[in-house]
Amino acid sequence: SQTIHQWPATLVQPVGSPLSLECTVEGTSNPNLYWYRQAAGRGLQLLFYSVGIGQISSEVPQNLSASRPQDRQFILSSKKLLLSDSGFYLCALEGDWWDSGIQTQYFGPGTRLLVL
Amino acid sequence: DAKTTQPNSMESNEEEPVHLPCNHSTISGTDYIHWYRQLPSQGPEYVIHGLTSNVNNRMASLAIAEDRKSSTLILHRATLRDAAVYYCIRKPNNNAGNMLTFGGGTRLMVKP
Repeated sequence: SQTIHQWPATLVQPVGSPLSLECTVEGTSNPNLYWYRQAAGRGLQLLFYSVGIGQISSEVPQNLSASRPQDRQFILSSKKLLLSDSGFYLCALEGDWWDSGIQTQYFGPGTRLLVL
Repeated sequence: DAKTTQPNSMESNEEEPVHLPCNHSTISGTDYIHWYRQLPSQGPEYVIHGLTSNVNNRMASLAIAEDRKSSTLILHRATLRDAAVYYCIRKPNNNAGNMLTFGGGTRLMVKP
């Protein structure tokens, strides 16, 4: 079965510092991968998605970037964090988990980022 | 633009059924209706989905209006562990690569 690992689980960073969040998946190959952000008390916002190595689509222009150096690795980065970057960052994996032709998203445990 | 409308919050008593409504009046013929829920401090998890017919699985039932402009997620017996934010999402067709647009969802509170 599929598994998503995200680290770190929590992170406190000063404004202006760089950021690197990692997502790795197991149990599947060539997956569609997604990065979402959830600000405190808000809904989920799609940030990036990737359909393969080196293929990144951005949904929201901002100071974040994403990379997919390997099939099962998805990285979210920033050169200089802003206060507004605080939030809960979720990596998601898309697939047919029920073997019934249903494409759904399976979410990782998330990284909680606080920018001070 | 989430393209679905849900009440901000609902309350239920434990062991009672819960009906969570969703309005998607501009839905197109090929849009699927997906429901996810997010427990506190966790990522969302898939609950159920449907296209035209009502659907049942081990977690819930999904009742879809005949005109498909609304749907209702039914939890047959709410438990305290069902307290979560429930998201109703329109997803174009069933192909991979279609992103999910999450709105505000409905926060379900379950009272013992």
